[in-house]
Amino acid sequence: DSGVTQTPKHLITATGQRVTLRCSPRSGDLSVYWYQQSLDQGLQFLIQYYNGEERAKGNILERFSAQQFPDLHSELNLSSLELGDSALYFCASSVSGARETQYFGPGTRLLVL
Amino acid sequence: AQKITQTQPGMFVQEKEAVTLDCTYDTSDPSYGLFWYKQPSSGEMIFLIYQGSYDQQNATEGRYSLNFQKARKSANLVISASQLGDSAMYFCAMIPRTNDMRFGAGTRLTVKP
Repeated sequence: DSGVTQTPKHLITATGQRVTLRCSPRSGDLSVYWYQQSLDQGLQFLIQYYNGEERAKGNILERFSAQQFPDLHSELNLSSLELGDSALYFCASSVSGARETQYFGPGTRLLVL
Repeated sequence: AQKITQTQPGMFVQEKEAVTLDCTYDTSDPSYGLFWYKQPSSGEMIFLIYQGSYDQQNATEGRYSLNFQKARKSANLVISASQLGDSAMYFCAMIPRTNDMRFGAGTRLTVKP
C-alpha cells in the first residue's frame, strides 16, 4: 500500500458525459501527478500540482482539467467523454515535486461506452 | 525528444536465476532521474528503484539493482534470485528537468518454476 488513495476504483459511463476522479496523496506529500494508461498510448503524464499550483503539464486534453485543493487532495475532471478516453488513470504523489520518487495510487479504471 | 526505450516486450527467467531488463533513454538535460516500476496483473504501480543522473554509484534495493551507464544512456534493471511473484510488467521511466515523467513501453517478465 503506497499510501495514495484514489476513488472510485471503477467507473462506467457513456460518451459525452463528465466524470470526476479523486486522489488523496500520502501524508506529508505536497505534490500530486496524474497519469493515463491506455493500451494504445501506454503510460502518459497528464499534469502535476504542487501545493495547489500547477507545476508541469503533459499531454492533457483540453476536455480534461485538474486542481489541487488546500487540503492537498486533487481531482481530475474529464468531460465530453469519448470511447478513446477509456483507460486506467493513476494519481501519484511525492514530497516536494522535484525529480524524486513518485508513489502511485491504485488507479481508477474508466470505461466509456 | 525525451524518449525511453525498452526493447524486450517479453522475457522469461527460471525461478532463482537473475534477469536483466534493458532500458535506454534519450535526454539532453544534465539533471534527470531514472526509475523502475513494477505493475502486477492487479494493476497497481509499485516503485522499485531510483537513480539520479549525478549519482556515482549504481542504486540497489534488496534484490533489485540498477546498472547505470551514463555515457551509453542506459539504465538496466537487474533482478537477482527471481521469485514467482516477480512475474509482472516492468516499466522504466525518466523524469527530466521539465518534471514530465516519461515511461517506456514496458517488459513483461514471466518467472518459470
